[in-house]
Amino acid sequence: GAVVSQHPSWVICKSGTSVKIECRSLDFQATTMFWYRQFPKQSLMLMATSNEGSKATYEQGVEKDKFLINHASLTLSTLTVTSAHPEDSSFYICSARVWVERDGYTFGSGTRLTVV
Amino acid sequence: AQKITQTQPGMFVQEKEAVTLDCTYDTSDPSYGLFWYKQPSSGEMIFLIYQGSYDQQNATEGRYSLNFQKARKSANLVISASQLGDSAMYFCAMRGETSGSRLTFGEGTQLTVNP
Repeated sequence: GAVVSQHPSWVICKSGTSVKIECRSLDFQATTMFWYRQFPKQSLMLMATSNEGSKATYEQGVEKDKFLINHASLTLSTLTVTSAHPEDSSFYICSARVWVERDGYTFGSGTRLTVV
Repeated sequence: AQKITQTQPGMFVQEKEAVTLDCTYDTSDPSYGLFWYKQPSSGEMIFLIYQGSYDQQNATEGRYSLNFQKARKSANLVISASQLGDSAMYFCAMRGETSGSRLTFGEGTQLTVNP
């Protein structure tokens, strides 16, 4: 149980276009979703925390106008990379806190974004 | 502020041997949780083991055990009987009571298991 489905798994887009990444909680309600960015061989960097029905909280240095996060329902959170540029190419992964036998987190499978 | 330090960028181990991955942390929170995750090349994050700061015993999950030394603020992961499939990136992470639900990750250790 407690699965987060993340789509797409990978995407290639042209510079200047926008890309939307979706994370759906399949068998639980995710009131909070965390969005991370990860460069090759580096750690996960928290970009923002989204709460259902309210504005996302962005980490320092993350452009909120560039990385639009929407959490309109308890089962869906989306990250839109607007006007993407090659430097936005990265691995994006979402995560939700869950209580299944123990307190923990479940992660989406991640999205590899390549901007050309 | 919370900080996780993993000082081993890369580790190598022979198949069937045990390996210890180091993790130290810094927090002023009296209550916190420590997690270990495995990330294979596919990118998925796989939960391995959890240790609560008030847990009296070290956590164990199959071949994984956590050597928790609270006074030294260390939470090392021990993998026994390494398998080729254990080759992956390993992350130590912490959640403190003042950080809400946010996890703080270490830089990771790339483990390679040799046949």
